[in-house]
Amino acid sequence: NAGVTQTPKFQVLKTGQSMTLQCAQDMNHNSMYWYRQDPGMGLRLIYYSASEGTTDKGEVPNGYNVSRLNKREFSLRLESAAPSQTSVYFCASSDTFDRGYGYTFGSGTRLTVV
Amino acid sequence: DAKTTQPPSMDCAEGRAANLPCNHSTISGNEYVYWYRQIHSQGPQYIIHGLKNNETNEMASLIITEDRKSSTLILPHATLRDTAVYYCIAFASGGSNYKLTFGKGTLLTVNP
Repeated sequence: NAGVTQTPKFQVLKTGQSMTLQCAQDMNHNSMYWYRQDPGMGLRLIYYSASEGTTDKGEVPNGYNVSRLNKREFSLRLESAAPSQTSVYFCASSDTFDRGYGYTFGSGTRLTVV
Repeated sequence: DAKTTQPPSMDCAEGRAANLPCNHSTISGNEYVYWYRQIHSQGPQYIIHGLKNNETNEMASLIITEDRKSSTLILPHATLRDTAVYYCIAFASGGSNYKLTFGKGTLLTVNP
């Protein structure tokens, strides 16, 4: 099983460019999440989707949009990239949104904005 | 959710038990204690969780004090592959604050 797959693994953007980070899970999980991790820091929640058809803001949603395309896929879009968005982005999924166990994370997308 | 406090780093010899402490003195009655770990450059991995009883699985044991103000994650026979950042998280299941929040954690270094 692939688990949670994120694409691309690496990306360099120029300030002002846009891009979409893709995430797909094959575990039939209901909930999906986007986190960012800056150097030496913990993970901060950007957006989450408790179930197909719903999305909600996390701690640091500014500058991002999300789409829960179907039960498997949850994408994160940067409309106008800024250097402050240079980070490692992790997608995760879980069977249910209100339990803290069983989150499965992808391997991350390393984004640099210059 | 309750704030947790962990030491920034710890060392352990390979083959010995690694005991990682976590303080959560403001934990409320419905908050579970969760442990995740993050091996370098990878996404976090779930390890174990508990409410008030001690828990054990194939990866680790979790000891929670009777007053629930602190807990210890035990890796019984640490290997080099256990070198990682370990996160202790207090989270209320069924609550309205659906944020599994990762602090800075403890960097455990297992030495040969």
